[in-house]
Amino acid sequence: NAGVTQTPKFQVLKTGQSMTLQCAQDMNHEYMSWYRQDPGMGLRLIHYSVGAGITDQGEVPNGYNVSRSTTEDFPLRLLSAAPSQTSVYFCAINRAGEETQYFGPGTRLLVL
Amino acid sequence: AQSVTQPDIHITVSEGASLELRCNYSYGATPYLFWYVQSPGQGLQLLLKYFSGDTLVQGIKGFEAEFKRSQSSFNLRKPSVHWSDAAEYFCAVGPNNNDMRFGAGTRLTVKP
Repeated sequence: NAGVTQTPKFQVLKTGQSMTLQCAQDMNHEYMSWYRQDPGMGLRLIHYSVGAGITDQGEVPNGYNVSRSTTEDFPLRLLSAAPSQTSVYFCAINRAGEETQYFGPGTRLLVL
Repeated sequence: AQSVTQPDIHITVSEGASLELRCNYSYGATPYLFWYVQSPGQGLQLLLKYFSGDTLVQGIKGFEAEFKRSQSSFNLRKPSVHWSDAAEYFCAVGPNNNDMRFGAGTRLTVKP
C-alpha cells in the first residue's frame, strides 16, 4: 500500500463515542485525502488536504473533523459517532502535480 | 456536478474469456478518468488513467480503456481474463485528483 499506514484496522464504537482514525505516510506527498466506502456507493470523499495547515471539505464532510499539522499525518476525528458512520475508511495520498493516488489498507468502523 | 455510473453491479466471465466493464460519466469539461481495482480486504490500486491525448489507454495487468467523448464513456477491457482478476473495479472522474467521484463499483467473478 505504497507507504500509507492506517490505524486501527478495525474498531467498534458505541453511539456518541469519539475516536480518531490515524493516517500516516512516509512518501512526503503533499496531498492527503479521506474516503469512506459503503456498499453500492463506491468511495466518497470526506476531507482532503493539499499541504500542512490546509484542509478542505469533500463530498460528505458532516460529522468529521480533520487537521494537518505535519506532512506525514492526517487524522480523521469523529466527535460523536453515529450508526450512519459505520463504514470502511480509506486514506489516500498523492504528490502535487501527479494524478495517481495511493490508498492505505483501510479502517473498518462499526458504530452500534 | 460530476458523476459516474457503472451499470453492471456484478459480472461473471469464464477464465480466458474477454472482459468489458462499462463506465459512463457526467462532467462539464474534459475530465480526468481513472480505473481502480480492489481485492477483498485491500485498498484500491490504480489500473490506468486518462487525462488527454490518445483515447486508448494501456494500464497494468493487461487492462486497457477507451475514452469516448461522444458517448461519455470510459470502458475497461481485457482480452483474456485470469482467475486472479476476480475483484471489484471502480471507475472515477474528476477535475483533478482531489475532487474525484467514484462509481458504485462492478464486482467481477471469474469461473474456472
